Amino acid sequence: EPEVTQTPSHQVTQMGQEVILRCVPISNHLYFYWYRQILGQKVEFLVSFYNNEISEKSEIFDDQFSVERPDGSNFTLKIRSTKLEDSAMYFCASSELQANSNQPQHFGDGTRLSIL
Amino acid sequence: RKEVEQDPGPFNVPEGATVAFNCTYSNSASQSFFWYRQDCRKEPKLLMSVYSSGNEDGRFTAQLNRASQYISLLIRDSKLSDSATYLCVVILDTGRRALTFGSGTRLQVQP
Repeated sequence: EPEVTQTPSHQVTQMGQEVILRCVPISNHLYFYWYRQILGQKVEFLVSFYNNEISEKSEIFDDQFSVERPDGSNFTLKIRSTKLEDSAMYFCASSELQANSNQPQHFGDGTRLSIL
Repeated sequence: RKEVEQDPGPFNVPEGATVAFNCTYSNSASQSFFWYRQDCRKEPKLLMSVYSSGNEDGRFTAQLNRASQYISLLIRDSKLSDSATYLCVVILDTGRRALTFGSGTRLQVQP
């Protein structure tokens, strides 16, 4: 079964440093997403991406965050200057292009980001 | 009112039991509903979409009650492998795709 893959599985970074999280969505999917889950809390939406642009973003997704599809397969999340509160599990997801929004999103196994 | 609300549990049930979870959502205009399961420190995995007429997938049955704005999940003949956190997930606004997650209900099936 096709799956979303994420790298690295664990990233440890000093506060203030930039970090890039990488994702390879399922190959025939055209919608891509980033979510995060702080330890012990619920999964929260960050951003969705379609046709090379952001289609939705949450209040969490401020100017420190950016997303990019640098080539035909990768989808990245960059955090410019990390803060302690950015420590979380970051999940990438993708879904098919359909007219309605009922298409389920399939999640990668996440990148655990630890900010020191 | 929280956007998507679930009883956190835990629900401790013996193998073979039937267990039901409920979830309420805040926006009456919401159109898309899902149940995901999440094992400890793992990614959410889609269990099933929830359709207006209710739907069943093996031992799992999902129901939607639009008038009361709640969704339910029924698990019959519980297995040890059903032990996980069950996440109620809603797309709250028409035309959007952002998933809004509940905090999850933890299920522990005991031998």
